[in-house]
Amino acid sequence: GQNIDQPTEMTATEGAIVQINCTYQTSGFNGLFWYQQHAGEAPTFLSYNVLDGLEEKGRFSSFLSRSKGYSYLLLKELQMKDSASYLCAVKDSNYQLIWGAGTKLIIKP
Amino acid sequence: SAVISQKPSRDICQRGTSLTIQCQVDSQVTMMFWYRQQPGQSLTLIATANQGSEATYESGFVIDKFPISRPNLTFSTLTVSNMSPEDSSIYLCSVVPGEWTEAFFGQGTRLTVV
Repeated sequence: GQNIDQPTEMTATEGAIVQINCTYQTSGFNGLFWYQQHAGEAPTFLSYNVLDGLEEKGRFSSFLSRSKGYSYLLLKELQMKDSASYLCAVKDSNYQLIWGAGTKLIIKP
Repeated sequence: SAVISQKPSRDICQRGTSLTIQCQVDSQVTMMFWYRQQPGQSLTLIATANQGSEATYESGFVIDKFPISRPNLTFSTLTVSNMSPEDSSIYLCSVVPGEWTEAFFGQGTRLTVV
């Protein structure tokens, strides 16, 4: 079967750095996506990794290791507005998106 | 990219009634996806809607309960039929315009069944 694992919940302090991990087992791989979702809103796209390595976008970075079936989302200089759920999703061999359960990130002052 | 207009944004419905949710995309797309997201949960795919053919439903979802229309390449509707309180959820439509692009979402419909 296809499976994506990420922690259910994480807590971090404003101004700090947090890393949200995602491991996956899917039928094929055509890219990994990270989305941010605030409560009551639709998911918004953060990053896309299809090759191994680190992609940096401002305060957010995403890393991929295809051989390990592993990715992480790194958030720096945390702000209160970063409190949200972060969803990891993988495109399988049929280009279908397989979604993780999401990680709820709580930022404390 | 794609911009999706989803309506209604929220509704409160009586049990036993039906609600139709609409999604309009600003470009032509082959497939549209309908998701349900229950409070505190991740996205659950209900069905994939292709233009000109019947929708493909995921395990646990049936056409009688969630009929879908896809009359053209820019529009789709999802109906939640004979609603019960267990259908209270957020419903989202989504498109993936290309093989190497991300998914775009409508604003979501927050449904409460009383």
